[in-house]
Amino acid sequence: NAGVTQTPKFQVLKTGQSMTLQCAQDMNHEYMSWYRQDPGMGLRLIHYSVGAGITDQGEVPNGYNVSRSTTEDFPLRLLSAAPSQTSVYFCASSYWDRGTYNEQFFGPGTRLTVL
Amino acid sequence: KQEVTQIPAALSVPEGENLVLNCSFTDSAIYNLQWFRQDPGKGLTSLLLIQSSQREQTSGRLNASLDKSSGRSTLYIAASQPGDSATYLCAVGPPNYGGATNKLIFGTGTLLAVQP
Repeated sequence: NAGVTQTPKFQVLKTGQSMTLQCAQDMNHEYMSWYRQDPGMGLRLIHYSVGAGITDQGEVPNGYNVSRSTTEDFPLRLLSAAPSQTSVYFCASSYWDRGTYNEQFFGPGTRLTVL
Repeated sequence: KQEVTQIPAALSVPEGENLVLNCSFTDSAIYNLQWFRQDPGKGLTSLLLIQSSQREQTSGRLNASLDKSSGRSTLYIAASQPGDSATYLCAVGPPNYGGATNKLIFGTGTLLAVQP
């Protein structure tokens, strides 16, 4: 298994541009989520999904959209990039087993800079 | 609002020493607690997951304990090695009121340096 994969690894955008961060997992996990990591603030949840067709907001959803058309993919869209969205973005997945969620597996991250 | 704190922010120890990393959380009503390791410029690697009904988990030289009543978890690393140098993150899953989710609330981590 490749686990959780993310593309691109690095990206530089100009203010106002839009882009999509890709996330895929090949473990058939129901649960997927996006976090951003900023110095001194730890990781914060942006959006999450408990299954195909179902998404919900996390702690810091403004400026981001998600969709979940398949179990494998969970793209994160930046609608109009702002310098405050400069961060490292991580995608994670987890599976449901016997009535409980298990450990979350993280991708390698996308380092985004907005100028 | 659940808050997760990890103290100290940084720790340096000589190789071979046993050490304890601390994690505290303000709301004892949790779903689970997970410890991660993060190497510089890399993603997070899951180390141990403790469900709310459990008291501890062990994997090799690592042992994590959970005391919900006091809002604390510890990660014990035995016989530390230079390869253990990394940032260790603690994350708490809030309870699933009204639906099944697996959200995590992270601490800011402890940067561990093991000196050869």
